[in-house]
Amino acid sequence: AQTVTQSQPEMSVQEAETVTLSCTYDTSESDYYLFWYKQPPSRQMILVIRQEAYKQQNATENRFSVNFQKAAKSFSLKISDSQLGDAAMYFCAYLNNAGNMLTFGGGTRLMVKP
Amino acid sequence: DAMVIQNPRYQVTQFGKPVTLSCSQTLNHNVMYWYQQKSSQAPKLLFHYYDKDFNNEADTPDNFQSRRPNTSFCFLDIRSPGLGDAAMYLCATSRRTSGMMGETQYFGPGTRLLVL
Repeated sequence: AQTVTQSQPEMSVQEAETVTLSCTYDTSESDYYLFWYKQPPSRQMILVIRQEAYKQQNATENRFSVNFQKAAKSFSLKISDSQLGDAAMYFCAYLNNAGNMLTFGGGTRLMVKP
Repeated sequence: DAMVIQNPRYQVTQFGKPVTLSCSQTLNHNVMYWYQQKSSQAPKLLFHYYDKDFNNEADTPDNFQSRRPNTSFCFLDIRSPGLGDAAMYLCATSRRTSGMMGETQYFGPGTRLLVL
């Protein structure tokens, strides 16, 4: 079974600064998919970014980018120019090759200071 | 806008009294999932429907059941809620097609269940 670990229960960042959230995972598969989801307080979980394991190029979505290190089984999320609206719980998630099991990490609560 | 809708947003039930949570979607996705998320924890998959095929996770208690009468709707039935079942219940959907893997799951806002 796959496991996903987020070693930072809480992080804080100053508005307009950059922050990196860490995620590592354990798998024996060579093909899989990785996601970062954002869950604001009392609001629904939304997709931030996704990465296919077969792609070497790191995914980027506006201010959000990932550092995908397949050999190290690491998938960190970088948020540039942090905004107050970025404050939320961030979950790293692993989707297996069969596409039928999405495993979440324990989450990192991000606080943004004005 | 296409979306995943969950009703109600908050549900209060009594210990042992059956309760049903509902989920609907306008995305026309063929897969629907139910997750349980306890406070400050990661979501945990309970089961999912791939079209009409029901897939139960091995450690999902028998107390939890699901129904999917059509593509758009899926229900979570808790037959005899216990205090430990108080949680946020998340519905998610995805489109799975033959030969395409790694589809993104889209989540509803969740229903927070309180058991008295």
